[in-house]
Amino acid sequence: DVKVTQSSRYLVKRTGEKVFLECVQDMDHENMFWYRQDPGLGLRLIYFSYDVKMKEKGDIPEGYSVSREKKERFSLILESASTNQTSMYLCASSFHPTGLYDNEQFFGPGTRLTVL
Amino acid sequence: KNEVEQSPQNLTAQEGEFITINCSYSVGISALHWLQQHPGGGIVSLFMLSSGKKKHGRLIATINIQEKHSSLHITASHPRDSAVYICAVVRNRDDKIIFGKGTRLHILP
Repeated sequence: DVKVTQSSRYLVKRTGEKVFLECVQDMDHENMFWYRQDPGLGLRLIYFSYDVKMKEKGDIPEGYSVSREKKERFSLILESASTNQTSMYLCASSFHPTGLYDNEQFFGPGTRLTVL
Repeated sequence: KNEVEQSPQNLTAQEGEFITINCSYSVGISALHWLQQHPGGGIVSLFMLSSGKKKHGRLIATINIQEKHSSLHITASHPRDSAVYICAVVRNRDDKIIFGKGTRLHILP
């Protein structure tokens, strides 16, 4: 069974704090993704990575950075959290034989982040 | 105009009913995904298709490339099917994934 785990289900932080969201997958997938999900807006891609140390900006990268030092781990960093980053954050991974979205994505359970 | 539109936005039905959720898109695509999100947030991939029809248990997904339309059908619906169903397309000009806003389905016992 493919498993994608995220470090926290719920997180509360204060404005200005540095926040780390961790994602780990155990299926040796090349691709990993970070999305945020907001009511009325659906899922939006923040960053993705198709290999160790490789990262690409998605649709809404501002205010975020990522790190992929090991194949199984993809971290999302909020350098200085702001209230408009309150959201549900979802990590996903997929196998990458040819393209980014050629295969099923496996999602983590999500982290609901509240920034006060 | 959104590139991916789902209808209906919300759907309530009785247990046992046949359910259809629609997804229309306005761009050229290489693939279309159907996802299911249960209360609590976890997302599961149901189907990925680029042509024709796929079936898994009580779920059927179809796609008509010429009409730029896909449908997700649920036969003999059950309260455990209550979830948000999300359509996502992979735009073929840049390999970008675009998500619909989802259809919230509620099956009453």
